[in-house]
Amino acid sequence: NAGVMQNPRHLVRRRGQEARLRCSPMKGHSHVYWYRQLPEEGLKFMVYLQKENIIDESGMPKERFSAEFPKEGPSILRIQQVVRGDSAAYFCASSQSMGDEQYFGPGTRLTVT
Amino acid sequence: QKEVEQNSGPLSVPEGAIASLNCTYSDRGSQSFFWYRQYSGKSPELIMSIYSNGDKEDGRFTAQLNKASQYVSLLIRDSQPSDSATYLCAPEQGSSNTGKLIFGQGTTLQVKP
Repeated sequence: NAGVMQNPRHLVRRRGQEARLRCSPMKGHSHVYWYRQLPEEGLKFMVYLQKENIIDESGMPKERFSAEFPKEGPSILRIQQVVRGDSAAYFCASSQSMGDEQYFGPGTRLTVT
Repeated sequence: QKEVEQNSGPLSVPEGAIASLNCTYSDRGSQSFFWYRQYSGKSPELIMSIYSNGDKEDGRFTAQLNKASQYVSLLIRDSQPSDSATYLCAPEQGSSNTGKLIFGQGTTLQVKP
């Protein structure tokens, strides 16, 4: 009963480095969503992807952040040249279809030093 | 006005009581609504989804939706100490399936033995 998988669970990066966060959706799910939870703040939508397509990236910062969901393999959230303000929990969720219930993975806790 | 408003709490109830969690939202077009539970340091866990006006029951949980009043609530009957967590209300943005959930700040529930 594989749920949504994310790795790594914890990631430490120095300022200026790149962070790559991976997400494998639940079996049978082809819709992936990324959310960010800053310390003491709520969950914020970042991006919604289907295989090989970005459906909605309205929540993504304009610079340094990108996401993909290739035909084969996990979805990747990439943060270039990380800054301290990027320190947060990044959650991936998946659903079977658009508008369906979303199930969350365990998250990646990113710490930028 | 916040897009999704929840009383941050903490809401404290004795074990065995009914806990009532409330949420109002600003997007009149929202059609799908979700309640998540989040334990400290963990990822959100889906509890209920509701799409139509009225009540929806699942075990000890009942979700209530009133689209005219832009109000959604979650009742937890026979509250248990293990229900102590933060409860997140998440309407889906927009009038058609967008996949974009807008989360409230959450209500912290404390169930006292």
